[in-house]
Parts: sequence; C-alpha cells; structure tokens
Amino acid sequence: GAGVSQSPSNKVTEKGKDVELRCDPISGHTALYWYRQRLGQGLEFLIYFQGNSAPDKSGLPSDRFSAERTGESVSTLTIQRTQQEDSAVYLCASSLALLAGGPDTGELFFGEGSRLTVL
Amino acid sequence: RKEVEQDPGPFNVPEGATVAFNCTYSNSASQSFFWYRQDCRKEPKLLMSVYSSGNEDGRFTAQLNRASQYISLLIRDSKLSDSATYLCVVKIYNFNKFYFGSGTKLNVKP
Repeated sequence: GAGVSQSPSNKVTEKGKDVELRCDPISGHTALYWYRQRLGQGLEFLIYFQGNSAPDKSGLPSDRFSAERTGESVSTLTIQRTQQEDSAVYLCASSLALLAGGPDTGELFFGEGSRLTVL
Repeated sequence: RKEVEQDPGPFNVPEGATVAFNCTYSNSASQSFFWYRQDCRKEPKLLMSVYSSGNEDGRFTAQLNRASQYISLLIRDSKLSDSATYLCVVKIYNFNKFYFGSGTKLNVKP
C-alpha cells in the first residue's frame, strides 16, 4: 500500500511485559515521528527520526521507551516492562524531508495507529 | 506550559451554522501552522495550512495572528460531516517538530 503501515493494530498485554510496535513509512519519506494519544487526549510527541541524523528523543516519557529506525525504512517502538499508564494509541507519521528554504506543506501522513492495552 | 492550547469544546452547532475555533501557541519561533482533522478513533489528517495573510479553502477559512500568537479556523455552512475533532498544529522550524493541540471537538446536529 502507499500509506503508512503500522502493526499490530491492536495489542493487549499484561503489566510488566515488553511490547514492540512497528511502523512502515511511505517510501521516500525521510522524516518519521512517533506520537502517543491517550483516550480523549491530544497527541503527545515521543520521538523523531530524520534521515541519518541522531533522533530527537526528547519526548520519550521514560527509559522504558526506546525506538529504532534503520536508514529511511521501518521503525520500531519498544516499551519495556509495560505499565497500565502506557495504554494508548501509538501513532506513527512520516513526511518528506524539508530542504533548506524549501516549501513545507506540513503534511504528516499518519498510520492508523497501534492500540495498546495494558491489563 | 503547553506549546499549543485549544478549547476542548465540545461545540454543538446546528447544520448551516458558522463556527470558529481559536488556538494559541507559546513559542514565538514557531514557523508553520496547520489545522488537522481527526475523526473518532481515526488518525489525524491535514485539513489546511495557515498562511500569514490568511487563507480560504471552500467553507474553511484560517487566520494567523503572529503578534498575539493565535490561529483561528472558521467553518461556514456547517455540515453533519464536519463533526470531528480539529487539531491546531505548530511547527518549530529549527527543531522540525510538530506540536499538536489537544483538539476542539465539533458536533454538527441536524
């Protein structure tokens, strides 16, 4: 498909288990973002990857959260020792690289999200 | 303080009404501004960018006031299909990060 693909779409896990969420961005999109959205809340920035630059991890809420991305392809978000407060929808988005002085449509293309429920 | 603040609503309006949302942003270095729409249990999608001179897209008009650091969205002749949550988004250029407001919920009633 041409869109951002996320898996799993739904994950139910027990407190204390590790989970891994996957995001496959649109081909050619060098920027990739992870956001968290709790029920009835806004989007909370987690981490941002841009090409081969060091990722911006400033939004990760604790050291239980980590993410990786190989080049400009798939990214995985890992949550270790899950807690009930981690229950949320995890949204991945990708966008075209912004060239210096270039136009910015501001369009982030989101996947449908991975809904995580920690029991 | 949050980077982007919005009135959560809900705004309950009849079909055909005109409704306006505002949002404020805190970082004066903000470069780009957008409105996204999010339907219930769906992912956000870009509605429109917001330009300094203001811009219109059909029934939707967006305005930016840099001096007061707020952004507005006006919807004319509301349709039932406009019912959604509207997210105000600000991008800080140097950091290439998009900050989302918590959204304003709109319910358009028949």
